[in-house]
Amino acid sequence: SQQGEEDPQALSIQEGENATMNCSYKTSINNLQWYRQNSGRGLVHLILIRSNEREKHSGRLRVTLDTSKKSSSLLITASRAADTASYFCATDLSGYSTLTFGKGTMLLVSP
Amino acid sequence: DSGVTQTPKHLITATGQRVTLRCSPRSGDLSVYWYQQSLDQGLQFLIQYYNGEERAKGNILERFSAQQFPDLHSELNLSSLELGDSALYFCASSAPPNEKLFFGSGTQLSVL
Repeated sequence: SQQGEEDPQALSIQEGENATMNCSYKTSINNLQWYRQNSGRGLVHLILIRSNEREKHSGRLRVTLDTSKKSSSLLITASRAADTASYFCATDLSGYSTLTFGKGTMLLVSP
Repeated sequence: DSGVTQTPKHLITATGQRVTLRCSPRSGDLSVYWYQQSLDQGLQFLIQYYNGEERAKGNILERFSAQQFPDLHSELNLSSLELGDSALYFCASSAPPNEKLFFGSGTQLSVL
């Protein structure tokens, strides 16, 4: 079974709107990472948040982590059509980056 | 461009056959990871190597094997292929302290 589960499975918004994706996981983690995948291509690392951090920002991205609820959220502000992709959360249990990925959220941003 | 090179990009073969997928990590990265992505299973971790040694094993079938060579490139061998092995196979690499992964563009395997 998947360690991380993203919600929603799919999200459709207009350019300029904010997009929020959630991730829940089952066991204690070393860190949690978010990746992006454009259709059929390799994954690209977006942001990493450690288990002792609560919030992190990178450009238009904001990630939060609530270890008591075993959940994380990724917020993309002022979305652009180029943000259209699948977004995956990945949890690192071991510290060796043997990441366990969720099934992803497909984000569609319409012009 | 992540700096991770995977070959071939596409592979079409028949059931029962054996194939080898190749990965060259980013310069200086000691860790190599293999993942399988399919519509029904999502992204599944297969195996990790660090500087030539196996470090972690995931959902890798016994028909699959991998190795990392002294020049740090890695190969994933898939044998006795079945229709269900059709998937996108990714290689990723990382550098100490082994946190974020850099993914290659993948090998699309089609077993007919």
